[in-house]
Amino acid sequence: GQSLEQPSEVTAVEGAIVQINCTYQTSGFYGLSWYQQHDGGAPTFLSYNGLDGLEETGRFSSFLSRSDSYGYLLLQELQMKDSASYFCAVRDPAGGFKTIFGAGTRLFVKA
Amino acid sequence: EPEVTQTPSHQVTQMGQEVILRCVPISNHLYFYWYRQILGQKVEFLVSFYNNEISEKSEIFDDQFSVERPDGSNFTLKIRSTKLEDSAMYFCASTSSGHSGANVLTFGAGSRLTVL
Repeated sequence: GQSLEQPSEVTAVEGAIVQINCTYQTSGFYGLSWYQQHDGGAPTFLSYNGLDGLEETGRFSSFLSRSDSYGYLLLQELQMKDSASYFCAVRDPAGGFKTIFGAGTRLFVKA
Repeated sequence: EPEVTQTPSHQVTQMGQEVILRCVPISNHLYFYWYRQILGQKVEFLVSFYNNEISEKSEIFDDQFSVERPDGSNFTLKIRSTKLEDSAMYFCASTSSGHSGANVLTFGAGSRLTVL
C-alpha cells in the first residue's frame, strides 16, 4: 500500500518557525513535494526534494532523508497569510508518474 | 503566467445525471491529471493521461468515469451517472514532462460538484 503520514494540525505565532513532518511508505518513490492550499483554493507547489538534503526557497525550506522515508517542511518568519493546509506528496514513477498526497496539515498562525 | 483553466467553477446536479467537467491544461504540458477533494479531506488521485490515453487510474475511477482529450486543448472528465458521494471539488492538473517537469503539478482552480 501507499501512505503518507503528517500531523493533522499545527498552531504557531507570527514570526515563529514551524516544522511540518512527513513520513511515507510507497511502492515507488521519485521525490517528495510540498503543496500549500488556502481555504477554497487550489493546491500550489512549494518545493521538491529528489535527493537527500535541504532545499531552500525564501522563507520555506524542505528536507528529505530517503533512508528514513522522512521529510519536513520548515516555514520561517511566519506570517498570517501562511495559515493554510500543507500537503506532502510523493511522485510515483509507476504508471503515469502520478503524485499521491498526504492528508494535509492545517497550519494556524496566531498574532 | 500560464495557468490551467477549469469550467464550470460550480455545478449542481441531480443524482443519476451525467456531468462533464472541462479543463484547458497549460499548452506545452504533456501529462494531464484529474484529482478530487471531498470537503476537508485530502487530494485524491483519479486518473493520469498521456499521449491520448490513460496512463493510470485509481480505484475511485470506476466505469462511471471517463476522460477525453477531444481536441488539442481541452481535457474533460465525464461522470455518467452521478451519486451523492461524487460531491467534491474536482481539480485538473498538468505537468510539463515525465522527468523533472513532472515534479511540479500545476492545478486549475477546481470545479465544485454538488450532487443532490
